[in-house]
Amino acid sequence: EPEVTQTPSHQVTQMGQEVILRCVPISNHLYFYWYRQILGQKVEFLVSFYNNEISEKSEIFDDQFSVERPDGSNFTLKIRSTKLEDSAMYFCASSGTTTGQPQHFGDGTRLSIL
Amino acid sequence: GESVGLHLPTLSVQEGDNSIINCAYSNSASDYFIWYKQESGKGPQFIIDIRSNMDKRQGQRVTVLLNKTVKHLSLQIAATQPGDSAVYFCAEITTSNTGKLIFGQGTTLQVKP
Repeated sequence: EPEVTQTPSHQVTQMGQEVILRCVPISNHLYFYWYRQILGQKVEFLVSFYNNEISEKSEIFDDQFSVERPDGSNFTLKIRSTKLEDSAMYFCASSGTTTGQPQHFGDGTRLSIL
Repeated sequence: GESVGLHLPTLSVQEGDNSIINCAYSNSASDYFIWYKQESGKGPQFIIDIRSNMDKRQGQRVTVLLNKTVKHLSLQIAATQPGDSAVYFCAEITTSNTGKLIFGQGTTLQVKP
């Protein structure tokens, strides 16, 4: 069964450094998302991406965050200058041809900011 | 504001019993609902979904019920097994929007052998 893959599984970074989290969505999907989950809390929406542009972003997704789909297979989340409070699990998800189809998630990247 | 919540943070059941996990949502515009299972160190895994034009949907050992009048969802797991132990989240979508999922807090299901 096709799956969403994310790399790396764990990223440790000094505060103020840039990080790039990578995702390969399911190949025929058109809608892409990033979510984050702080330890022990619920999953929170960050950003949605469709047709090569951001369709919605949350308050969390400030100017330090950006997303890109540099080619036909990868979808990246960049945090320009990381803060301690960016420490969380970051999940990528994708869904098919409409917003009314299930989103499938990767196993996440654990981001630890020191 | 929008929110999706679960009534109980932890549910403990005996192996073989049926489990019922509840969820309340607040956005009347939500028209698509999904239950996810999350095991430790993993991403949310799709279990079952239901659209707002239905009130019940069955899968393999799982049933989702939707009551739009009181904005309530439930997930029923038949003959609960140790492998069902995980955190369960309900999530809602307004499909006319961007498809963002709004998750509830999660219920931890513990299955006792």
